Amino acid sequence: SQQGEEDPQALSIQEGENATMNCSYKTSINNLQWYRQNSGRGLVHLILIRSNEREKHSGRLRVTLDTSKKSSSLLITASRAADTASYFCATSSAQKLVFGQGTRLTINP
Amino acid sequence: DGGITQSPKYLFRKEGQNVTLSCEQNLNHDAMYWYRQDPGQGLRLIYYSQIVNDFQKGDIAEGYSVSREKKESFPLTVTSAQKNPTAFYLCASTRTGQWSNYGYTFGSGTRLTVV
Repeated sequence: SQQGEEDPQALSIQEGENATMNCSYKTSINNLQWYRQNSGRGLVHLILIRSNEREKHSGRLRVTLDTSKKSSSLLITASRAADTASYFCATSSAQKLVFGQGTRLTINP
Repeated sequence: DGGITQSPKYLFRKEGQNVTLSCEQNLNHDAMYWYRQDPGQGLRLIYYSQIVNDFQKGDIAEGYSVSREKKESFPLTVTSAQKNPTAFYLCASTRTGQWSNYGYTFGSGTRLTVV
């Protein structure tokens, strides 16, 4: 089952601009996590936000969580070419992590 | 350095053949997971294990089998019963604990192709 749904499915921006990706989910969660995947590679954990948290920062990343709307957003500020990748949200409950379909982010130089 | 090692990186399977994908971790993580990723798609859970000698089916377990005889190892066998096995397979592990608020560590994946 795919609990998380990312929006947009694809995003193309200029280097230096900010990128925002959204994620919606359906059931109650322990936490929500964001991962990055470069083409043909494994996933890299970016940030985890707990269900009782509303906002979290890590470097150029800012994640928000609204449990009343069952939604989260990932903001990448001052984007770089190296940020080009697919980004997935994943919700954690019952000892399992369920992933969305991902957002393909392209940063144009 | 600690991490997860998946092997082989590429694997070719003939029709009717069983193949086993290896996943080894030296992170001392209790929980291990197998996911399948199809082109342009998200990850779907095949099997997971919270502790040695115990494992549970995920959302798409049919045609797959696993074992967890050692904490470090969680091999996945793709059997001939799996009718569409061509995909990218990812192994992951994480710590366990109250609320399980830990990120997952992923291997670099095995790309399986039926020939």
